[in-house]
Amino acid sequence: GAVVSQHPSWVICKSGTSVKIECRSLDFQATTMFWYRQFPKQSLMLMATSNEGSKATYEQGVEKDKFLINHASLTLSTLTVTSAHPEDSSFYICSARDLSGLAGPESYEQYFGPGTRLTVT
Amino acid sequence: GQNIDQPTEMTATEGAIVQINCTYQTSGFNGLFWYQQHAGEAPTFLSYNVLDGLEEKGRFSSFLSRSKGYSYLLLKELQMKDSASYLCAAMDSNYQLIWGAGTKLIIKP
Repeated sequence: GAVVSQHPSWVICKSGTSVKIECRSLDFQATTMFWYRQFPKQSLMLMATSNEGSKATYEQGVEKDKFLINHASLTLSTLTVTSAHPEDSSFYICSARDLSGLAGPESYEQYFGPGTRLTVT
Repeated sequence: GQNIDQPTEMTATEGAIVQINCTYQTSGFNGLFWYQQHAGEAPTFLSYNVLDGLEEKGRFSSFLSRSKGYSYLLLKELQMKDSASYLCAAMDSNYQLIWGAGTKLIIKP
């Protein structure tokens, strides 16, 4: 159980174009989804937190107009990198958590998708 | 501020035991997670501790001391496949995860 998928797994795009990454919870309802970015040999950097049906909360320094997040359903969140530039090249990972069971703090475990490697040329 | 500290890199020998330490400072505390991340892959859950003490799961054990703001991950009978980064993450009062930078574990034959 608790499987999260991401699509695409890798993408190469030209500078100035936009790229959409999908994150799906396959067998549970994800009340909250998280988007992370990870540069080579660095740790995860939380970009934003999104709750289904509401606007995403962005971390300090993350441009909300550049990284558009939509969490329209309990199983799907999308991250769109608008007007991508080479410095946006990174490993983007989503995670999801399911609070429907309210089993206690351990239920706050985040289930990670496999990640999307974005290369902007 | 909120902060997680863990060593950047550790090296150990196949078959041996290694302990990866993590200290944390958070606004409130709702537990500590350990994740394993192989290069180029997403993190996978290893353990969760919210009470003081040692939790054992096969070759992996995790320890927590809330009064000291300290945790460790203990890996026994190391295998080459254990070569990975190990991420420590503490959950604050808002149930948000504060992530450490990760410890890269190198296993040598």
